[in-house]
Amino acid sequence: NAGVMQNPRHLVRRRGQEARLRCSPMKGHSHVYWYRQLPEEGLKFMVYLQKENIIDESGMPKERFSAEFPKEGPSILRIQQVVRGDSAAYFCASSLQGYFGEQYFGPGTRLTVT
Amino acid sequence: GQQLNQSPQSMFIQEGEDVSMNCTSSSIFNTWLWYKQDPGEGPVLLIALYKAGELTSNGRLTAQFGITRKDSFLNISASIPSDVGIYFCAGQLGTRGGADGLTFGKGTHLIIQP
Repeated sequence: NAGVMQNPRHLVRRRGQEARLRCSPMKGHSHVYWYRQLPEEGLKFMVYLQKENIIDESGMPKERFSAEFPKEGPSILRIQQVVRGDSAAYFCASSLQGYFGEQYFGPGTRLTVT
Repeated sequence: GQQLNQSPQSMFIQEGEDVSMNCTSSSIFNTWLWYKQDPGEGPVLLIALYKAGELTSNGRLTAQFGITRKDSFLNISASIPSDVGIYFCAGQLGTRGGADGLTFGKGTHLIIQP
């Protein structure tokens, strides 16, 4: 399957712990985007990355959230010291082109903070 | 920031009926995309539109990019049970130096009664 892969699909963390979400883009895609979806809401853009570079992080909370897309391996969205308000579905998308590229989404990671 | 107003919020229709939903924006976009999301899954790309006035079909689905670049609509003809789901419009500015993340509407819940 050459689609966007995300793991884990479900993640439960206690308040104060760290959450690490992984995303492997479609084969041949070098542009990765992260989105957050709250219940009954549309997706909200968080960050856009290319290999080893953050291109646009205008949607990322200023604290506790970080993202990377290393030269080798998946993209990682890291949430430090999670709080209950971080509970949401986090989706990764990838595209072949950056500025007009159609974005294809993974199945998401459902984060629950207890 | 940019906002998308998607309507209707939900639709209850009979199988076989045609469906129409639309999105309007307070500012222009250079790309419009329509996605369908099933429960527990990521959004699946249905149609991508790149030019103002463009009308594109994908099977029973037809979408148009408004002339003003501030709106788009999606039509589904002869609905079937598997059309049930949440449909999202998304706009992208897509200019070098601008935000490339998608801006999503809040979705249209489509419910089909057999």
